Amino acid sequence: AQSVTQPDIHITVSEGASLELRCNYSYGATPYLFWYVQSPGQGLQLLLKYFSGDTLVQGIKGFEAEFKRSQSSFNLRKPSVHWSDAAEYFCAVSSNTGKLIFGQGTTLQVKP
Amino acid sequence: GAGVSQSPRYKVAKRGQDVALRCDPISGHVSLFWYQQALGQGPEFLTYFQNEAQLDKSGLPSDRFFAERPEGSVSTLKIQRTQQEDSAVYLCASSLARWRGSSYEQYFGPGTRLTVT
Repeated sequence: AQSVTQPDIHITVSEGASLELRCNYSYGATPYLFWYVQSPGQGLQLLLKYFSGDTLVQGIKGFEAEFKRSQSSFNLRKPSVHWSDAAEYFCAVSSNTGKLIFGQGTTLQVKP
Repeated sequence: GAGVSQSPRYKVAKRGQDVALRCDPISGHVSLFWYQQALGQGPEFLTYFQNEAQLDKSGLPSDRFFAERPEGSVSTLKIQRTQQEDSAVYLCASSLARWRGSSYEQYFGPGTRLTVT
């Protein structure tokens, strides 16, 4: 069965520090992978996506993610976190019908 | 341009009442998805439309849940005889094309928070 695991429920980093959010997936075919961000009371905003090709993908707001097939991972990174990055982050994989299967989410807190 | 809109944004229902949640997708978007997001969880798929055809309803938790998109644009998710476990945020998303292709992206609305008392 398709699934997504985000091992870290809550992460706290200092402003200006680097960030890595982990995501592991289980999917039988070539995965299509996404990272979304959700601020309180807001809908989900797409940060980046991986379909094929270069395994390092760049997204909005300075985020990037690396697809590692051997590790079934698609970790999200940012070199320097800003206070406005505090939010809930969701990793998702797309099934062959287009529906998204989400992880549980990681809450990011940024310390000043 | 306008994004996906949902109404109402908040709904309080007494147990046993019926509710109807509306989704206005981005104009011209072919695909429409409904997701349910319980508190502290990731969204979970409910159902999928391509134009007016409901192609996948495997995620609907019970026969109390019903969705329609009669003219291929606006969609309504109806929940009959609401139960406390139905309390969640209901998210709607739309996409321009069929899912395959590197341009594929689902655009999400702000959600409707349903509280069943």
